[in-house]
Amino acid sequence: SQQGEEDPQALSIQEGENATMNCSYKTSINNLQWYRQNSGRGLVHLILIRSNEREKHSGRLRVTLDTSKKSSSLLITASRAADTASYFCATEDQGGSEKLVFGKGTKLTVNP
Amino acid sequence: DAGVTQSPTHLIKTRGQHVTLRCSPISGHKSVSWYQQVLGQGPQFIFQYYEKEERGRGNFPDRFSARQFPNYSSELNVNALLLGDSALYLCASSLGTGLGETQYFGPGTRLLVL
Repeated sequence: SQQGEEDPQALSIQEGENATMNCSYKTSINNLQWYRQNSGRGLVHLILIRSNEREKHSGRLRVTLDTSKKSSSLLITASRAADTASYFCATEDQGGSEKLVFGKGTKLTVNP
Repeated sequence: DAGVTQSPTHLIKTRGQHVTLRCSPISGHKSVSWYQQVLGQGPQFIFQYYEKEERGRGNFPDRFSARQFPNYSSELNVNALLLGDSALYLCASSLGTGLGETQYFGPGTRLLVL
């Protein structure tokens, strides 16, 4: 079963604009990760944030985590057409079950 | 260095048939996980193997089985295929099984069951 939901399900913006995607989850987690998937192919790991962290940056990516609200957001700044993809959050629980539990994803379209 | 490779890339089967999907992890990676991704959904965990032993199993029927070989490559087998098994099957490898280990995904095998 899916851990949670990404919001929005789809997002369309112009190149240069910022894109914000949100993720909610249900259980206590050890960490939350964001992945990108192009055209229904393999997933690429973007960034990991641990449960004791509140914010993390990597290049044009900024991730926040609010464990009290069981939610995370991914901000992509100065978007490019190449950022067009589906973005998924995935959680690893504290029980150490060693599996990733993915949300349903946000489909981002960046128009040139 | 080569990434995770999967074969075949596409496969068409009919209901009731059996299928075997293959995965080769990144060199040096000892853990392989399998995920099923139905169209419009996120991937769902099927199995994890580490050092040839099953370390985790998702909520899938016994028709799904897997194994890992001494060279750490892996096979996913699905028996008695159903229409609902049509999906993208993703393999991911990692160095070990620790929390927070980065998983590297292959391009997937797209299975269509008619």
